[in-house]
Amino acid sequence: QVQLVQSGAEVRVPGSSVKISCEAPAGTFKTHAITWVRQAPGQGLEWMGRIIPLRDVANHAQKFQGRVLMTANTSSTTAYLELSSLRADDTAVYFCARDRTGVFDPWGLGTLVTVSS
Amino acid sequence: EILMTQSPATLSVSPGDGVTLFCRASQSIVTNLAWYQQKPGQPPRLLIYSASTRATGIPARFSGAGSGTEFTLTISSLQSEDSAVYYCQQYNDWRMYSFGQGTKVAIK
Repeated sequence: QVQLVQSGAEVRVPGSSVKISCEAPAGTFKTHAITWVRQAPGQGLEWMGRIIPLRDVANHAQKFQGRVLMTANTSSTTAYLELSSLRADDTAVYFCARDRTGVFDPWGLGTLVTVSS
Repeated sequence: EILMTQSPATLSVSPGDGVTLFCRASQSIVTNLAWYQQKPGQPPRLLIYSASTRATGIPARFSGAGSGTEFTLTISSLQSEDSAVYYCQQYNDWRMYSFGQGTKVAIK
C-alpha cells in the first residue's frame, strides 16, 4: 500500500519561511505528481499546487504566487513545499497526496504549521 | 477559477437512512469530479473519481452521479462510521484544481 510520509509539526514567527517534506515510494515519483493541499483550523481544503518530479515541473494556485516553492528530490523520492513571508492565516495542516491526473490518493497524514509571534 | 458549491452545509441522518449530497460547478467540468471523506484528525480519503467510479475498497453504499455542472454523492443505508465531512473536487482545469466547502454528515 502506497504511503506518503510527511515531516513533523513546525512553529514559525510571522515573516519567516517554512519547508516541509513528503517522502513517497519510488514508483510514485516516477509515474505521478505530488499535490499539496492545506486546511486551516476548522476550515475546508485548499489546493496549493503540484509538482511532477520526473519532469521537475510545478504549478501552483495564483493566490500563492511569489511565496511558494515546490521542489522534488528524485534520489530521496521526497517532495518539498516551501512557503515564505508567513502570516498568521497560514496556520494550517499541510497535506501532500499522490496526484493521479487530478485525483488525490493516497494522502499523507499532514504537517501542522503554526505561525505565531 | 472554477468555483465548487456544495449543499447542504450540514445534514443529520439516522442510521440506515439514505442521504444525497450535492455539488455544483460554476462551469462544465464534464465528469472530472472526485469526492473525498474526511473524519476528524485524519486526512481526506478518496471515495469517488470520474464522478461515478468508486475508489478501491470503498463500499458499494457510496455512489456518485452527474456530469457537466451538477453532481451528487449518495450514501445508501448510512452507517455510524459514515459520520464525516464530504468534499467534492474538480480536476477539469489542470492549472487550478478546487474543492467545494464541504458537507458535514452527522448521525442522529
